[in-house]
Amino acid sequence: GAVVSQHPSWVICKSGTSVKIECRSLDFQATTMFWYRQFPKQSLMLMATSNEGSKATYEQGVEKDKFLINHASLTLSTLTVTSAHPEDSSFYICSAWTGSNYGYTFGSGTRLTVV
Amino acid sequence: GQSLEQPSEVTAVEGAIVQINCTYQTSGFYGLSWYQQHDGGAPTFLSYNALDGLEETGRFSSFLSRSDSYGYLLLQELQMKDSASYFCAVGVAAGNKLTFGGGTRVLVKP
Repeated sequence: GAVVSQHPSWVICKSGTSVKIECRSLDFQATTMFWYRQFPKQSLMLMATSNEGSKATYEQGVEKDKFLINHASLTLSTLTVTSAHPEDSSFYICSAWTGSNYGYTFGSGTRLTVV
Repeated sequence: GQSLEQPSEVTAVEGAIVQINCTYQTSGFYGLSWYQQHDGGAPTFLSYNALDGLEETGRFSSFLSRSDSYGYLLLQELQMKDSASYFCAVGVAAGNKLTFGGGTRVLVKP
């Protein structure tokens, strides 16, 4: 139980375009989801916390107009990287609080490459 | 704010025991978690300590001392598949965001 499905697994896009990443909780309701970014050989850095039906809370230094987060339902949160640039190339991972003994569960991650 | 320190890399041979230490400084504390991440994969949950003491889950054990703001993950009977990065993480409240340590890369050699 407590599975989060993240899509796509990898994506290559051109500079200046936008990319949307989806995370769905399959067997539980995720009122809170977290979005992380991870550069090679580094730790997970929290970008933002999204709560269903309200605006996301962004961490300091994360541009909210560039990384658009939508959490319109209890099972779906999306991260849109707008006007992507090569420096946005990274591994993006979502996580959800399951509210149970499962604790936090993570999506499988999205490898974004901007060319 | 929160900060967690853990060693960057550990190398050991198959069958050995590895201990990964984690010290933390947090404004609040709900529990210390440990995650394993293989290259290219997502973090997977290993263990969680909310109270002082040792939690054992198969070959992996985790320890917490809240008075020392310290915990460790013990990997026993190391196997090649244990080569991965291991992260400690702290949450300040249930359902709140996790702050991760820098990660410890464990390399298991034959």
